[in-house]
Amino acid sequence: DVKVTQSSRYLVKRTGEKVFLECVQDMDHENMFWYRQDPGLGLRLIYFSYDVKMKEKGDIPEGYSVSREKKERFSLILESASTNQTSMYLCASSLAGTNEKLFFGSGTQLSVL
Amino acid sequence: AQSVTQLGSHVSVSEGALVLLRCNYSSSVPPYLFWYVQYPNQGLQLLLKYTSAATLVKGINGFEAEFKKSETSFHLTKPSAHMSDAAEYFCAVSDSWGKLQFGAGTQVVVTP
Repeated sequence: DVKVTQSSRYLVKRTGEKVFLECVQDMDHENMFWYRQDPGLGLRLIYFSYDVKMKEKGDIPEGYSVSREKKERFSLILESASTNQTSMYLCASSLAGTNEKLFFGSGTQLSVL
Repeated sequence: AQSVTQLGSHVSVSEGALVLLRCNYSSSVPPYLFWYVQYPNQGLQLLLKYTSAATLVKGINGFEAEFKKSETSFHLTKPSAHMSDAAEYFCAVSDSWGKLQFGAGTQVVVTP
């Protein structure tokens, strides 16, 4: 089975801290995604990567950056965490293509105090 | 831009009753549509996807969805709800890059 692993299940950070969320997939998928999930808003795409060192902004990239130095790893970076970034963060991966299913990690619940 | 709208943020059904979750899409091209389920404290997993091979799509756990182009809908159904179906369900549409736009989700509660 495909496995998408997110490094932390729960994180608590302080306002202004730099935060790294790590995601690793083990199936050689080309595409990787970062979504945030908030009640009543569903999942919103933050960033998307379709290849190593390639990235595209999603719907809500403000306040975030990403890094993909290796195919299996996709990192989400909060340069200066703010309270409105308290959320559930979901990483996903898929094969290249328009109709490929996404495989999701279990999520990281980030609280910024 | 492509988008989906899920009607009803919460649905309560009795065990054994029909489950019906509504999803309408907006797309300028033939859509790629999906239903995902999220069980408590877990990531999302695919229930089913529309591939244009057939308008009635069967998924896992007894769920199915029917694509209706004239109504721009892709509603999810299950004839008989089980307690284990309690979860949040998301409809999604894919663009040409494989990025998914998700609906706001529908929380399903199953009562004995």
